[in-house]
Amino acid sequence: DAKTTQPNSMESNEEEPVHLPCNHSTISGTDYIHWYRQLPSQGPEYVIHGLTSNVNNRMASLAIAEDRKSSTLILHRATLRDAAVYYCILRSTSNTGKLIFGQGTTLQVKP
Amino acid sequence: EAQVTQNPRYLITVTGKKLTVTCSQNMNHEYMSWYRQDPGLGLRQIYYSMNVEVTDKGDVPEGYKVSRKEKRNFPLILESPSPNQTSLYFCASSLRDPTTDRSPLHFGNGTRLTVT
Repeated sequence: DAKTTQPNSMESNEEEPVHLPCNHSTISGTDYIHWYRQLPSQGPEYVIHGLTSNVNNRMASLAIAEDRKSSTLILHRATLRDAAVYYCILRSTSNTGKLIFGQGTTLQVKP
Repeated sequence: EAQVTQNPRYLITVTGKKLTVTCSQNMNHEYMSWYRQDPGLGLRQIYYSMNVEVTDKGDVPEGYKVSRKEKRNFPLILESPSPNQTSLYFCASSLRDPTTDRSPLHFGNGTRLTVT
C-alpha cells in the first residue's frame, strides 16, 4: 500500500514560515498528494492538493519534489490558529478510493 | 449549507448491543467513507463507497458493516460492539474518488463512541 511518512511533531514560532515534510516513496504516477489538517476537537479539513507541480492557495503552498517521492506543505506565516495535526495522504496502490492517512504531524505554534 | 452530518455526536453503549451511526451529506457526492481515530494511531479508514450500492473495505473493517442504498446516506453499523471499538468516528464525502481526482474530502464533526 502507498504509505506516507511524516515527523510526529514540529514546533514553530508565530509569524514565521513552517515547512511540514512528507515522504511518499511508493507513490504511483496517478496519485494526487492531498494535505488535510485537524484542529482540536474538530474533523479534518482540506488544505491543499497537487499532482506534479507546486501549488498555492490562500491557506498554504505545496512543494512537490521532481521525483514525487516527497512533498512539503508550507505555511508562510504561522498563526496560533494553525496549531493542528497535519496529514499527508495518498491512496492505497491496491484499491482506488482507499485512503491511507498516516499519523500526521502535530504542529505547535508558540507566541 | 453544504455539510456532512453525523448522528449522534456522543454514544455510550454496552457490549453486544447493535448500534448504527448515521451519516448524511447534502452535496450530491459520489464518494463517502468512514474513519476511526484513536490516540497514537491517527485516522484509519473503515469502509468507503464509490457510489450507490458500491462499498469496499478500508484498513480496519472488522466488526463493522456499511450500506449505501441512497447517494446521500452512508450509515455505519456495529452488529455486536465490543470495547475495542471505543473510538472517535468520522464520516467523510467527496464529489468523486479523492485519490485520483481533485475532489477534497469533507468531514463530519465526529461521533464519540464508548462501549462498556
